[in-house]
Amino acid sequence: EVQLVESGGGLVQPGGSLRLSCAASGFTFSSYWMHWVRQGPGKGLVWVSRISDESSTTYADSVKGRFTIYRDNAKNTLYLQMNSLRAEDTGVYYCASEPTHTGYYYMDVWGKGTTVTVS
Amino acid sequence: EIVLTQFPGTLSLSPGEGATLSCRASQSVSSKYVAWYQQKPGQAPRLLIFGSSNRATGIPDRFSGSGSGTDFTLTISSLEPEDFAVYYCQQYGSSPPNTFGQGTRLEIK
Repeated sequence: EVQLVESGGGLVQPGGSLRLSCAASGFTFSSYWMHWVRQGPGKGLVWVSRISDESSTTYADSVKGRFTIYRDNAKNTLYLQMNSLRAEDTGVYYCASEPTHTGYYYMDVWGKGTTVTVS
Repeated sequence: EIVLTQFPGTLSLSPGEGATLSCRASQSVSSKYVAWYQQKPGQAPRLLIFGSSNRATGIPDRFSGSGSGTDFTLTISSLEPEDFAVYYCQQYGSSPPNTFGQGTRLEIK
């Protein structure tokens, strides 16, 4: 079964740090691009960051310089290191996979999310 | 940055009725780069449509997508009780590489 499981969320004070993890199973993790998407309380989806299969990274302006996305293909795990956290970073963080070489761009599998509260 | 605007914000319909959800981009987007997702309360988003009109695996054929340029549409032909949810469109661009619309809430009338 294709699955993504996030962990690492919690309560942190403003200015603090957290590291989120996303464990992948059931597919060839190393071949996929991976994303982090967040959702504030009662709000819509906001894309946060992306890492390619070759570890090229891109970030939303709102997190650039504070968050770092990286992956460990040997452990089939995606990470998001979040530093200098702000109240507006509060929300549910989802990891999602993007298949490559299809000619299309979309996130086909999503984890259930992990909750980050900055307060 | 390409901005996606979804309308209506809320759509109130009854089971059995058809639904049309719209997504307008602030500038032209390749139809290959538009996707639609469904999200139910307390759940993760689920991919419905990719490439504007291709149903994802396991998605019933009452869901269909269309559009080009700046205007894209998700159509649900006959609403089932489980279809009442929030729907998001998403586009892949250059900077930032992904943006979502603000969502359309489909509620039971």
